[in-house]
Amino acid sequence: GDSVTQMEGPVTLSEEAFLTINCTYTATGYPSLFWYVQYPGEGLQLLLKATKADDKGSNKGFEATYRKETTSFHLEKGSVQVSDSAVYFCALSDKRTGFQKLVFGTGTRLLVSP
Amino acid sequence: EPEVTQTPSHQVTQMGQEVILRCVPISNHLYFYWYRQILGQKVEFLVSFYNNEISEKSEIFDDQFSVERPDGSNFTLKIRSTKLEDSAMYFCAQGAARETQYFGPGTRLLVL
Repeated sequence: GDSVTQMEGPVTLSEEAFLTINCTYTATGYPSLFWYVQYPGEGLQLLLKATKADDKGSNKGFEATYRKETTSFHLEKGSVQVSDSAVYFCALSDKRTGFQKLVFGTGTRLLVSP
Repeated sequence: EPEVTQTPSHQVTQMGQEVILRCVPISNHLYFYWYRQILGQKVEFLVSFYNNEISEKSEIFDDQFSVERPDGSNFTLKIRSTKLEDSAMYFCAQGAARETQYFGPGTRLLVL
């Protein structure tokens, strides 16, 4: 079945460092790909998405490019802030199932220190 | 981003009791979902709901679970007879289109 694999956390960075969180997926169809963020004590917020190969999703300085050849959707940010500390979830929904459900990775905790 | 409301934020119940979790619909949202996250584990899909019927459900969503949205009101998840392993954070998600889902803050359920 469809699955998403994320890098293990926590990822610990100093403020203004460059961030990469790796995400790869397995899907037999043509999925849409998402990054969600969960701040402490809150629910999941949609951060960005991409619906087809080579699309780049971006929001709040974060970006991710849908790479079909490597089945990846890595999250990047050029300069992280303390306020970016959260858990980041990569997810996919498969068009074959009519976008009925999201399949999530395990989440990667990001800790940014001043 | 649309703000999705869930009630209650926390629920403590005794094993075997029934619980009902609620999600307030946003006016143009037609697609509704429930997910759960057991502490320290992945977010897992439970069920999707459209046009007053279940469109897909996971293996987790057995006969102890049910969903409804009577007369366009709150979208609810009922667990008939709770078990210890039902303790989790339950998230409602909804959207105007199938492709994008917006999540609520969750209900933390603790079964004792």
